[in-house]
Amino acid sequence: DQQVKQNSPSLSVQEGRISILNCDYTNSMFDYFLWYKKYPAEGPTFLISISSIKDKNEDGRFTVFLNKSAKHLSLHIVPSQPGDSAVYFCAASAQGGSEKLVFGKGTKLTVNP
Amino acid sequence: DVKVTQSSRYLVKRTGEKVFLECVQDMDHENMFWYRQDPGLGLRLIYFSYDVKMKEKGDIPEGYSVSREKKERFSLILESASTNQTSMYLCASITGGDRDGYTFGSGTRLTVV
Repeated sequence: DQQVKQNSPSLSVQEGRISILNCDYTNSMFDYFLWYKKYPAEGPTFLISISSIKDKNEDGRFTVFLNKSAKHLSLHIVPSQPGDSAVYFCAASAQGGSEKLVFGKGTKLTVNP
Repeated sequence: DVKVTQSSRYLVKRTGEKVFLECVQDMDHENMFWYRQDPGLGLRLIYFSYDVKMKEKGDIPEGYSVSREKKERFSLILESASTNQTSMYLCASITGGDRDGYTFGSGTRLTVV
């Protein structure tokens, strides 16, 4: 039973355009959501997070939106750059869960020059 | 910077061997985790530990065990390696109460032949 779902295995965009990566979750106990970026042969690195008390968090070119009623979040990258090409994982955690993260399957983003 | 170090980047082992994957972190984090990453399956939690000598099963503990004798070191043990344990193994750590500070190691690519 997948609690965090990323339904698009891959996404391809042109440099300078917007990239939108989507994530859905099913567990109502999740109250914190994170996005990680992963290059091949490296560990994931933290990108941006959002608490369930917010609906938007912005950090430079990266913005995460949370729609609690729909149990949906999205990551927007504007403008996209070739260096953004990587696998992006959505993750969620529940308060009191020993900081245990539940990950989606990932979306491979390719930004074409 | 927090460093999470995994002792081997690449390992090749034979079926039936006992395999040890080592992970060391240098920031006094209480919580440590072992994940495996497989194409199309994302990151799946094998085991985690929130204190020395404490361990809890994750989502896919079968065929694995762990050891945490010291706070900075968390070892993953494959009791009898099998080909379906060929994977990328990722260790992570975080301090209790910090929901953003997950830090991953660079991963160990294990091939069981």
